[in-house]
Amino acid sequence: SYVLTQPPSVSVAPGQTARITCGGNNIGSKSVHWYQQKPGQAPVLVVYDDSDRPSGIPERFSGSNSGNTATLTISRVEAGDEADYYCQVWDSSSDHPRFGGGTKLTVL
Amino acid sequence: QVQLQESGPGLVKPSQTLSLTCTVSGGSISSGGYYWSWIRQHPGKGLEWIGYIYYSGSTYYNPSLKSRVTISVDTSKNQFSLKLSSVTAADTAVYYCARVPTTVTTRYFDYWGQGTLVTVSS
Repeated sequence: SYVLTQPPSVSVAPGQTARITCGGNNIGSKSVHWYQQKPGQAPVLVVYDDSDRPSGIPERFSGSNSGNTATLTISRVEAGDEADYYCQVWDSSSDHPRFGGGTKLTVL
Repeated sequence: QVQLQESGPGLVKPSQTLSLTCTVSGGSISSGGYYWSWIRQHPGKGLEWIGYIYYSGSTYYNPSLKSRVTISVDTSKNQFSLKLSSVTAADTAVYYCARVPTTVTTRYFDYWGQGTLVTVSS
């Protein structure tokens, strides 16, 4: 099965840039999607197809994907960005969406 | 704007069948173009895909749950449902329904319900 690896936690000061990685074998050949989940709430799609943003998602959220690592970048981090972030790909060989383990973003 | 809302019992006894329904508003399931999915999240843990269904009734399940899962659709009510049989405490989780755009190259979840906690306990 296809495994996605995320760091358990990332910390950043307000106004700085947060980078959350998602590792997978040749993940650059897949489309990567990112979700933000605040405590007690459902996940929200913040980036899809590596770097596209759904309507209503701030431009501060961006994504990239190459080689064995995809990255979600949050610029000018705000206190309200504190949340768990999950990456996700579609394993086409099994028609099986797969999620990373999640990264807790702490705003210091 | 599409909205999804889960409903069903919050408490299920061990060995029984968990049954949940997702009601979709702001869009028609029968119009096509989307899969309709169930995902769960164990307390304090990550996300686990359960399966999805197309309006035609075609289903796709997580192999780890396939023997116990049935997802069905009722286009007349604009709803889809989840049944998970022979539940144990390990099935205690928040269950989400979500919409999945049908694309050739990938799948992702663009709209989610608020989630419903189902506890398996006697």
